[in-house]
Amino acid sequence: DTGVSQNPRHKITKRGQNVTFRCDPISEHNRLYWYRQTLGQGPEFLTYFQNEAQLEKSRLLSDRFSAERPKGSFSTLEIQRTEQGDSAMYLCASSFAGSGAKNIQYFGAGTRLSVL
Amino acid sequence: RKEVEQDPGPFNVPEGATVAFNCTYSNSASQSFFWYRQDCRKEPKLLMSVYSSGNEDGRFTAQLNRASQYISLLIRDSKLSDSATYLCVVIHNAGNMLTFGGGTRLMVKP
Repeated sequence: DTGVSQNPRHKITKRGQNVTFRCDPISEHNRLYWYRQTLGQGPEFLTYFQNEAQLEKSRLLSDRFSAERPKGSFSTLEIQRTEQGDSAMYLCASSFAGSGAKNIQYFGAGTRLSVL
Repeated sequence: RKEVEQDPGPFNVPEGATVAFNCTYSNSASQSFFWYRQDCRKEPKLLMSVYSSGNEDGRFTAQLNRASQYISLLIRDSKLSDSATYLCVVIHNAGNMLTFGGGTRLMVKP
């Protein structure tokens, strides 16, 4: 499977616990994006990386959230001290940005987080 | 006001019907436009890009009106398999972050 892979697919946690999600992008893609989607809404941008550099963060990304892409390949998104409002689907997307590239983003299947 | 607005629906149509969805965006600097399709509890998938000249892909036709900041999607001869949520998406910055509308739900009935 050469698509975007996310793990775990589901995560149930208790309020106050820390959680970490992983995203493996399409191998030749240099950009990686994180989005969050709640029920009945469209996805909302959280942050993105070009190679290993985190270039932009949304105001939605509170200080409890941190994302890394240490070697410019896979990325992790960590949420510390989870709150019930963090319950959502966390989507990862990747794209290739370069001269002549269409920069189409392809999404992984997401990690569904439930905070009890 | 949301940056990208869509009628949430649902649009309930019979098989074979023609259905149209509209979307408006507020940022006049928006550069690129797309329709994504999302099935229940699945990830969004690109349906088609939208160009100023309008473009067609089989039963699907997309139109962009930059002056009115309006995007449309027309589906002809609806199939049961077209039942999904259709997300209007714009890009307005160099980072190419996608800004999504809330989605329009389509249900095609036999």
